[in-house]
Amino acid sequence: ETGVTQSPTHLIKTRGQQVTLRCSSQSGHNTVSWYQQALGQGPQFIFQYYREEENGRGNFPPRFSGLQFPNYSSELNVNALELDDSALYLCASSLRGGYGYTFGSGTRLTVV
Amino acid sequence: SQELEQSPQSLIVQEGKNLTINCTSSKTLYGLYWYKQKYGEGLIFLMMLQKGGEEKSHEKITAKLDEKKQQSSLHITASQPSHAGIYLCGAPQGGSEKLVFGKGTKLTVNP
Repeated sequence: ETGVTQSPTHLIKTRGQQVTLRCSSQSGHNTVSWYQQALGQGPQFIFQYYREEENGRGNFPPRFSGLQFPNYSSELNVNALELDDSALYLCASSLRGGYGYTFGSGTRLTVV
Repeated sequence: SQELEQSPQSLIVQEGKNLTINCTSSKTLYGLYWYKQKYGEGLIFLMMLQKGGEEKSHEKITAKLDEKKQQSSLHITASQPSHAGIYLCGAPQGGSEKLVFGKGTKLTVNP
């Protein structure tokens, strides 16, 4: 059973640029959620994808968008990066209607 | 919206000591997850509690859910340096699949 894989592990971007983060879900899971974790804070829910559609969104602006693919993998896209977007981005996969979320190791994004 | 408050924010203990971390919800709990996180890394699943009064144990870690108090506790017996890290509680918000997290409790275990 494979876990959740995220890529890249680290990246540095300049303010105003765009970034794409990737996540491969755990085998058997059909739902992917994305979280943003600022330093010293708990993870904050960005959005969730199920059957390739957004299924719930947190308090994040539209410049945060995502995709889910037929194989249940997912992308998080952030446009017009701001300094405050610097954070650890976590992907979690789950089975809809089931219990338990498996988190990946995260992508550390630094915006300069 | 639901908020989870964890206490203490940080904890330093001597190896071998017992400790307890608390997580209190501002609203009804529809289950509670405990995760451990090493600095800057992903979340490692520890335990999930679904029912009031439920208690689960894994190795030296025990978690309880008090539905009436809207609270959960995580107890570590005979702590070891390997227990060091940040402990996070998370709860499904309003019965949805969105998780709300506390800010975490940083645990340091001195040898």
